[in-house]
Amino acid sequence: DAGVIQSPRHEVTEMGQEVTLRCKPISGHNSLFWYRQTMMRGLELLIYFNNNVPIDDSGMPEDRFSAKMPNASFSTLKIQPSEPRDSAVYFCASSPLGTRAETQYFGPGTRLLVL
Amino acid sequence: KQEVTQIPAALSVPEGENLVLNCSFTDSAIYNLQWFRQDPGKGLTSLLLIQSSQREQTSGRLNASLDKSSGRSTLYIAASQPGDSATYLCAVSGTGANSKLTFGKGITLSVRP
Repeated sequence: DAGVIQSPRHEVTEMGQEVTLRCKPISGHNSLFWYRQTMMRGLELLIYFNNNVPIDDSGMPEDRFSAKMPNASFSTLKIQPSEPRDSAVYFCASSPLGTRAETQYFGPGTRLLVL
Repeated sequence: KQEVTQIPAALSVPEGENLVLNCSFTDSAIYNLQWFRQDPGKGLTSLLLIQSSQREQTSGRLNASLDKSSGRSTLYIAASQPGDSATYLCAVSGTGANSKLTFGKGITLSVRP
């Protein structure tokens, strides 16, 4: 298996632009997570899907952020409009079963820089 | 609110040394604790998962212990190698299988040849 796939790996954009991050989870995994990592705040859970349904989006910072999972093999995280404080590494992770507490498999991350 | 602390933030040791990485958490009502490794520019890789009912887990040269009542976990690395250089993060989940993971900020380990 190729593992969790994220694209793009790097993104540089200007403030106010729309940014879309993409994730393909490991085939057969039922849960998908989006995280954000910064030096100041560490790794934070943004949103969690189970069987393509958003279960917990309490970590989404504000309405500028939205996430979708139209099918079991694809998810997007969108920021519109982007701001410099959104600069971070965004990770997608998946796990085999429907819980958050078991082992999660992380993708390589998307490094976002908003100028 | 659960808080996870890892001190120090960075550690440098000579090759061959046995070392211990510490993790502390404020709420002892956890479901499990996990240790992850993160290489520069890469995602996280799960190393060990300890259920709340367990005291320790071992994988090769790694041994993780859990003292839930005192809110502490340690990751022991035996005979360290330069390839062990990475950032090590611990994460805890609250009670209940659907509780989210709370991560520490990690310890960046450098093993000098």
